[in-house]
Amino acid sequence: DSGVTQTPKHLITATGQRVTLRCSPRSGDLSVYWYQQSLDQGLQFLIQYYNGEERAKGNILERFSAQQFPDLHSELNLSSLELGDSALYFCASSPSGTISRRDYEQYFGPGTRLTVT
Amino acid sequence: GQNIDQPTEMTATEGAIVQINCTYQTSGFNGLFWYQQHAGEAPTFLSYNVLDGLEEKGRFSSFLSRSKGYSYLLLKELQMKDSASYLCAVRDRGDSWGKFQFGAGTQVVVTP
Repeated sequence: DSGVTQTPKHLITATGQRVTLRCSPRSGDLSVYWYQQSLDQGLQFLIQYYNGEERAKGNILERFSAQQFPDLHSELNLSSLELGDSALYFCASSPSGTISRRDYEQYFGPGTRLTVT
Repeated sequence: GQNIDQPTEMTATEGAIVQINCTYQTSGFNGLFWYQQHAGEAPTFLSYNVLDGLEEKGRFSSFLSRSKGYSYLLLKELQMKDSASYLCAVRDRGDSWGKFQFGAGTQVVVTP
């Protein structure tokens, strides 16, 4: 158990719909990262938040958005869903992410499996 | 942009050593990571290299040469539980804190 929690574990929805994935980082971690993993694309970095502010952006679609709240939990919003959005979405956390070697150790949650039908 | 190459699959015997190579191209380098991922599970952080040289952590070691755009992960005294996918990832030095790019992963199969 990494200490990172994600809800829900599974989500089945239809094309065109909108969903919200939730992540609670390990206690004390200020950075949250979101990743998408699909069979054909592998693991893709989406976005990083640190203490409520966006710090790095990867290949995140405009239909997707994220935020980190004052209590440090984070949500990933996926809208106008397409079949190709079906994937495993991971959240990870780290102490801060830039200051010391230990800050780069990311701890991953169990993931949310999204199926778009 | 970034391109990361690593072998698709490697097979080794229990107790042996396996070296997984990773080559990368990046416009700005801000660290290289190795992760282990068992089928159906989340990735687990193994190592982080930002300076040239070897980092050792128990049975696992990681090496980096920034000038060559090259890293390897060395797994010693292989155990059956080491059968997994190993992901090489590079963080660039962009305008922000830098984004991550992952390789496709190397599937290591440990045989008895």
